[in-house]
Amino acid sequence: DTAVSQTPKYLVTQMGNDKSIKCEQNLGHDTMYWYKQDSKKFLKIMFSYNNKELIINETVPNRFSPKSPDKAHLNLHINSLELGDSAVYFCASSQGSRRPQETQYFGPGTRLLVL
Amino acid sequence: AQSVTQLGSHVSVSEGALVLLRCNYSSSVPPYLFWYVQYPNQGLQLLLKYTTGATLVKGINGFEAEFKKSETSFHLTKPSAHMSDAAEYFCAVSDPGYSGGGADGLTFGKGTHLIIQP
Repeated sequence: DTAVSQTPKYLVTQMGNDKSIKCEQNLGHDTMYWYKQDSKKFLKIMFSYNNKELIINETVPNRFSPKSPDKAHLNLHINSLELGDSAVYFCASSQGSRRPQETQYFGPGTRLLVL
Repeated sequence: AQSVTQLGSHVSVSEGALVLLRCNYSSSVPPYLFWYVQYPNQGLQLLLKYTTGATLVKGINGFEAEFKKSETSFHLTKPSAHMSDAAEYFCAVSDPGYSGGGADGLTFGKGTHLIIQP
């Protein structure tokens, strides 16, 4: 069973479109995250979320919004896509709430290409 | 604010040779420390982590790392490289004290691409 899954695996779209990436974890974890990996493979946290609190990295444009229908899912919505949004987006999860010592488990990534 | 520096964006070693990947951190308090590996077109997998206790940490696939507070380092080693070790390696830290500002989560170094020569 896949612990953290993401769909789609690849996403090619035009500038200006709105798209969503889905993430699901079956680990029973309380906290989920979204990371962005750029073309140089640099990883940066975008959001962390548990059932009580959303924490947004201040550098993330408000075109990006996470939405969590339940504890096992954290979807990423992106409005008005720009060329610079092209990247690999990783979802991750960890046990507990505000426990930075916990291991984060990563999904396989979604490769977004904006044309 | 925390930061992580990985010396060497590319490291090349011969199969069977020692692997040494360097990681230094900058933080107002000693952070929790992690090494992750990323194989091509895959997600990240935890190799090992240091939170408390013994400063020499053993991980999967024969890797280990030692936390040296005086040197603010957490270098990753493996005595004998295998072809299957070729991958991207990331050192990461998390803040144990929630100093605030920005999302909870890991702060990553820029990664080291490990190349294994036959």
